[in-house]
Amino acid sequence: EVQLVESGGGLVRPGGSLRLSCAASGFTFSSFTMNWVRQAPGKGLEWVSSISFSSRYISYADSVKGRFTISRDNTKNSLYLQMNSLRAEDTAVYYCARVASGSYNSWGQGTLVTVSS
Amino acid sequence: QSALTQPRSVSGSPGQSVTISCTGTSSDVGDYNYVSWYQQHPGKAPKLMISDVTKRPSGVPDRFSGSKSGNTASLTISGLQAEDEADYYCCSFAGSYTYVFGTGTKVTVL
Repeated sequence: EVQLVESGGGLVRPGGSLRLSCAASGFTFSSFTMNWVRQAPGKGLEWVSSISFSSRYISYADSVKGRFTISRDNTKNSLYLQMNSLRAEDTAVYYCARVASGSYNSWGQGTLVTVSS
Repeated sequence: QSALTQPRSVSGSPGQSVTISCTGTSSDVGDYNYVSWYQQHPGKAPKLMISDVTKRPSGVPDRFSGSKSGNTASLTISGLQAEDEADYYCCSFAGSYTYVFGTGTKVTVL
């Protein structure tokens, strides 16, 4: 069974940093592109970042470019999102999601990040 | 990276059909056959309902169908059921490992 489990969310002050992790199991992690998607309270889904299976290709939404860094460790079956210079508008549930044929066929349960003073 | 445009809400009675549109541009929906649809119930993670414009993953009822014409994709729910009441989002690949989601549509079963 495919499982994606996010962790690392919490309350952080504006300008602070946080590192999210996503532990994958039940599939060959090193063969799949992985993404982070977020959802602000009461709002819609927003694509955040993408990393190819080998980490060769990485992309970011304009809203996080220069502040967030996506990475992965295929030896640990883990995906990461380093978030720096956090703003109130980054408050959201952050999901990791597996990409297959251009769609997200597996999602984690999400981890809540709250940016507030 | 502008969000794809969806109607804010649609509604229908049990057994009826509803269609949700998803309008993008020639750089996303119009350029790739990688349009997907997600169902999200309150407090839950999204669930893939349609991939590659028209493909239904295993376990998704056949009353869900997808299509695309030009820059607009559509999701149709035929034979609406109470459990279909949820938020629905479209998503399109937009090149260079980037994606864009729709604004979301709330489906209400009357």
